[in-house]
Amino acid sequence: SQKIEQNSEALNIQEGKTATLTCNYTNYSPAYLQWYRQDPGRGPVFLLLIRENEKEKRKERLKVTFDTTLKQSLFHITASQPADSATYLCALDTGGFKTIFGAGTRLFVKA
Amino acid sequence: DARVTQTPRHKVTEMGQEVTMRCQPILGHNTVFWYRQTMMQGLELLAYFRNRAPLDDSGMPKDRFSAEMPDATLATLKIQPSEPRDSAVYFCASGLEGSGKNTGELFFGEGSRLTVL
Repeated sequence: SQKIEQNSEALNIQEGKTATLTCNYTNYSPAYLQWYRQDPGRGPVFLLLIRENEKEKRKERLKVTFDTTLKQSLFHITASQPADSATYLCALDTGGFKTIFGAGTRLFVKA
Repeated sequence: DARVTQTPRHKVTEMGQEVTMRCQPILGHNTVFWYRQTMMQGLELLAYFRNRAPLDDSGMPKDRFSAEMPDATLATLKIQPSEPRDSAVYFCASGLEGSGKNTGELFFGEGSRLTVL
């Protein structure tokens, strides 16, 4: 069955550094992959979408890469800030807009 | 400011009781999703609808869960009878899918936190 793996351990980094989160998947070839941010007690919020024919996508301090051969996406936050502390979820379209999520990685940015 | 609205935000109930959660998707969105989130399992897809028709509910325990869309402005998720293992946060999300219209983005509500004692 389709499986999405994200690092379950929290990522702790210092303010100003680049945070890199990993998303690996198996058993599928998604047309696109998405990243969401979730704050405690809130619903996930969409950040970026990258399609299978795109290698990289940027939005302000965010960068996403998508390697369909490795079945992996990397999510980078440059010049990280304490306000970036949250859980980041990777999501895949498995066909027909059916979207499944990884369990997420918690990021803590220390001032 | 368009958003997905879920009610109730919090629900505490006793085992065996019926629970109904409601969702108002964003006007104009044609696809509605129900997810369940727990610490152990993360965000699990329970069911989703396109133009009010159920497309996939394979993630939902059929014996006690049911999901419907009585109209385009309302989606419901019902648990009967509820059990302690159903305790979780239930999220509704909506999106727009169709030729040339699919941005892939899902818009989530704030969730309904269910506690079954």
